[in-house]
Amino acid sequence: KQEVTQIPAALSVPEGENLVLNCSFTDSAIYNLQWFRQDPGKGLTSLLLIQSSQREQTSGRLNASLDKSSGRSTLYIAASQPGDSATYLCAPHGNNRLAFGKGNQVVVIP
Amino acid sequence: DAGITQSPRHKVTETGTPVTLRCHQTENHRYMYWYRQDPGHGLRLIHYSYGVKDTDKGEVSDGYSVSRSKTEDFLLTLESATSSQTSVYFCAISSGPNTGELFFGEGSRLTVL
Repeated sequence: KQEVTQIPAALSVPEGENLVLNCSFTDSAIYNLQWFRQDPGKGLTSLLLIQSSQREQTSGRLNASLDKSSGRSTLYIAASQPGDSATYLCAPHGNNRLAFGKGNQVVVIP
Repeated sequence: DAGITQSPRHKVTETGTPVTLRCHQTENHRYMYWYRQDPGHGLRLIHYSYGVKDTDKGEVSDGYSVSRSKTEDFLLTLESATSSQTSVYFCAISSGPNTGELFFGEGSRLTVL
């Protein structure tokens, strides 16, 4: 069974700082990995999808890296803004399903 | 945004009553999923479907059944609701089993008294 760990579980940063969110997973036999954002009381919004053949994927201020062999992914958010406050979830995809971590809860302080 | 609609969005029911949650998609995606989200547990897969009338169990399927008679609709049924099934339920869709991007609905909050 795929186990996903996200560290740190929660963090607060001042506006403008770069964010680094870590995700590790136990089964490296994955096809891709997806990062999501979840605001309180809302559904999950897809941020980035990294295929297993890729090393990284970028979208605006977001950059995600994937090291499949070591079972790690990192989400970088540059120049954080208060609107980035949310919970971020990583989900490696394999065996016909996604497995989820419990998320990184981020607060960006104005 | 992906066209996914969940209904009802909120429901309060009593222990022992049947409950059906509906997920409707307009994307014509083959794969549909039901997850539940609980504090301390994160998101857990209940059931998924890989085509009309084709479904399979996830990691927390006990007490739940599903049906998919049309590509666009995936129903989750709690035959006899229990308080442990109080949760937020999310439907998700994907174009492929392992490589397709997953898109989620807004969730259905169920409270079982």
